[in-house]
Amino acid sequence: GAGVSQSPSNKVTEKGKDVELRCDPISGHTALYWYRQSLGQGLEFLIYFQGNSAPDKSGLPSDRFSAERTGGSVSTLTIQRTQQEDSAVYLCASSLGRLPDTIYFGEGSWLTVV
Amino acid sequence: DQQVKQNSPSLSVQEGRISILNCDYTNSMFDYFLWYKKYPAEGPTFLISISSIKDKNEDGRFTVFLNKSAKHLSLHIVPSQPGDSAVYFCAASDYGGSQGNLIFGKGTKLSVKP
Repeated sequence: GAGVSQSPSNKVTEKGKDVELRCDPISGHTALYWYRQSLGQGLEFLIYFQGNSAPDKSGLPSDRFSAERTGGSVSTLTIQRTQQEDSAVYLCASSLGRLPDTIYFGEGSWLTVV
Repeated sequence: DQQVKQNSPSLSVQEGRISILNCDYTNSMFDYFLWYKKYPAEGPTFLISISSIKDKNEDGRFTVFLNKSAKHLSLHIVPSQPGDSAVYFCAASDYGGSQGNLIFGKGTKLSVKP
């Protein structure tokens, strides 16, 4: 497709389980971002990949969160031992290069931890 | 500590009138600012941007004003239309520096009434 694709679109998981969220950026985009939006909150930066550079992980809220980007394209965000406060929409975005190139968002993965 | 603040969680405007959405920031290193629009169950979409070398940028019905001394920017929508009803996020970046990501505000929900 032409846009940023995320899967699954919805995920309900039990507290303590691990989850993986996948992001397919727009083809050719070198920059990839993960954000999350909790209920009533703004978009919270999690992690940023730019080309072959080391990722900026400064937004990851705890060591239960990790992300990788394989082959400079697809990215997976992994949350281990999920907690109820992890419930949120996880949004992936990509851009052609660094800012000020426009960032394009996917529709998000809605995660509910019960 | 929030670096980008949108102090009005919601705004209601009559169709045809002007909508003014405000945003304040605290980091003087920010040099690039964007507005994103988000409909329910969709990812944010880019609306308009401005760099710190300008104080105004216009695109059709949308104009963004930047007041660097006050660390304040605003988005004007004239005339407002019911289809503009959405959550608007202000975002900022230090793109000239090492920061590669956008810092978002919490959003303002705009309702345009027919």
